[in-house]
Amino acid sequence: GAGVSQTPSNKVTEKGKYVELRCDPISGHTALYWYRQSLGQGPEFLIYFQGTGAADDSGLPNDRFFAVRPEGSVSTLKIQRTERGDSAVYLCASSSYLSDTQYFGPGTRLTVL
Amino acid sequence: EDQVTQSPEALRLQEGESSSLNCSYTVSGLRGLFWYRQDPGKGPEFLFTLYSAGEEKEKERLKATLTKKESFLHITAPKPEDSATYLCAVQPGRDDKIIFGKGTRLHILP
Repeated sequence: GAGVSQTPSNKVTEKGKYVELRCDPISGHTALYWYRQSLGQGPEFLIYFQGTGAADDSGLPNDRFFAVRPEGSVSTLKIQRTERGDSAVYLCASSSYLSDTQYFGPGTRLTVL
Repeated sequence: EDQVTQSPEALRLQEGESSSLNCSYTVSGLRGLFWYRQDPGKGPEFLFTLYSAGEEKEKERLKATLTKKESFLHITAPKPEDSATYLCAVQPGRDDKIIFGKGTRLHILP
């Protein structure tokens, strides 16, 4: 596709449930990033993939958060035992090996009731 | 600690009234400074990348400049469609992640 896509656009879940958020990067982009954005704040880094491997997961808040990118393209962010504090917009970005510029998707708004 | 501070938090301008947004940063070896525009309910949209002090880039009514401690986004004769949140971000020399400021909410009144 022309840009980064994310599904679903909105996800409402109950406290304690498991959720998966999907990111489809720009075709050919080798680097993929996940960020989280709370209301009135800038995006906050979670994890970065170069190819299939997680090159930097220092932003994951705790072990309830996990992300995979098994074939070096699509990535899934997985959150176990969701808490109300996990409510935010989860953004995905990708970049090519030729440039540091990260291009963002529209985000998934996660609401934990 | 790597940090980005944007000011003002919010700015209201009349259509045609030029102004500047500020982004102050501290970072270990700047690899790049980025400006993004974000509309409500949307992801950040890339505007500019600046790499070294003295560099300038322009796009329509926007011009971004960079010094060793800060960057400015100058808006010339803005229109209502320029209303958005403008985000500044830095990439430290040792990292691939980028660190964002909280943004400046810009509102252009017709």
